[in-house]
Amino acid sequence: DTEVTQTPKHLVMGMTNKKSLKCEQHMGHRAMYWYKQKAKKPPELMFVYSYEKLSINESVPSRFSPECPNSSLLNLHLHALQPEDSALYLCASSHVRRGDEQYFGPGTRLTVT
Amino acid sequence: AQKVTQAQTEISVVEKEDVTLDCVYETRDTTYYLFWYKQPPSGELVFLIRRNSFDEQNEISGRYSWNFQKSTSSFNFTITASQVVDSAVYFCALSEAGNRDDKIIFGKGTRLHILP
Repeated sequence: DTEVTQTPKHLVMGMTNKKSLKCEQHMGHRAMYWYKQKAKKPPELMFVYSYEKLSINESVPSRFSPECPNSSLLNLHLHALQPEDSALYLCASSHVRRGDEQYFGPGTRLTVT
Repeated sequence: AQKVTQAQTEISVVEKEDVTLDCVYETRDTTYYLFWYKQPPSGELVFLIRRNSFDEQNEISGRYSWNFQKSTSSFNFTITASQVVDSAVYFCALSEAGNRDDKIIFGKGTRLHILP
């Protein structure tokens, strides 16, 4: 099973809302990632979790709050977002092994109004 | 400095034609990894291939083939007898073993249109 699932597929939220994005994988991977992708751009890394601990935060604003409750789940909590945060949010996972390929979920298309 | 260059922003070919997507990378590491990903309109990035710096063998998988040349720092991707379903954005990417963060560095992508 090489599947990473993400919910919801689409999300529209106001600037005062609080919402969460969810990601799940059952490949036994112990590294999980959040990326943000704007239209016609490559994915930009936001956070990396390794063995359920946050290992990389790419200077992401605090209105984005990641959480890794267990080795299969990854959440991204959203609060007080700005319209410029509208993007495709991609989750990925991989083995914790140098240079291993990452497997991506289908993404959540987020619109902030 | 940009480490992965995909000079072709957009390519259009007619179905059944062969097409090559170029990727040039830059690294000082002797150990590194190269990847190709496909992103169809649905949005999901699909892993296609991983190559480490010590393995210069070319690879063929069905209609897809990859040419890795360390001498020119290139890792090009060829689709033979293209099909409409090959229409997507293709990203070349690099991971450097010496990078503490083990991040994947993506190129800007090549948007491929296969015309029926």
